[in-house]
Amino acid sequence: EPEVTQTPSHQVTQMGQEVILRCVPISNHLYFYWYRQILGQKVEFLVSFYNNEISEKSEIFDDQFSVERPDGSNFTLKIRSTKLEDSAMYFCASGTGFSGNTIYFGEGSWLTVV
Amino acid sequence: RKEVEQDPGPFNVPEGATVAFNCTYSNSASQSFFWYRQDCRKEPKLLMSVYSSGNEDGRFTAQLNRASQYISLLIRDSKLSDSATYLCVVSNDYKLSFGAGTTVTVRA
Repeated sequence: EPEVTQTPSHQVTQMGQEVILRCVPISNHLYFYWYRQILGQKVEFLVSFYNNEISEKSEIFDDQFSVERPDGSNFTLKIRSTKLEDSAMYFCASGTGFSGNTIYFGEGSWLTVV
Repeated sequence: RKEVEQDPGPFNVPEGATVAFNCTYSNSASQSFFWYRQDCRKEPKLLMSVYSSGNEDGRFTAQLNRASQYISLLIRDSKLSDSATYLCVVSNDYKLSFGAGTTVTVRA
């Protein structure tokens, strides 16, 4: 069964450093997403991406964050100048549409900022 | 008001029991509705879509009441493997909005 793969599975970084989280979406999917989940809290939407541009972003997704699809297979989330409160599980998702029954989540990248 | 609100539980039930819980959503223009399941520190996985007419998937029954902006999930004949956090999810435009989850623990 095709799946969304994310790397790294866990990263520890120092406050102020830049982090890049990588995702390989399912190959025929055209819609891409990043969500995050702070420990013990709900899953929060960060950004959706379609046709090489951002479709929607949340208020969390400020200038500190950026996304890129550098080639035909990868979808990356860059976090500049990380803060302690950026510590969370970051889920990449891909889908054939924007509806919840067309979206598949990766296993997540756990980011710890110290 | 939160976009999606759920009873956090926990619901602690014996095997074979029936458990039901619900959520409410604030945006009346919401388009699609789902229940996801999340195991500890894992990714959310789609359990089932929710329709106004009500729908079943094996032991799971979901119901949507658009007038009251209310979604429910019922699990019959609970199994140990049903222990998880159940996420109420609402789809709007280009994103999914998640509730905080209802924790269900099924005991032997």
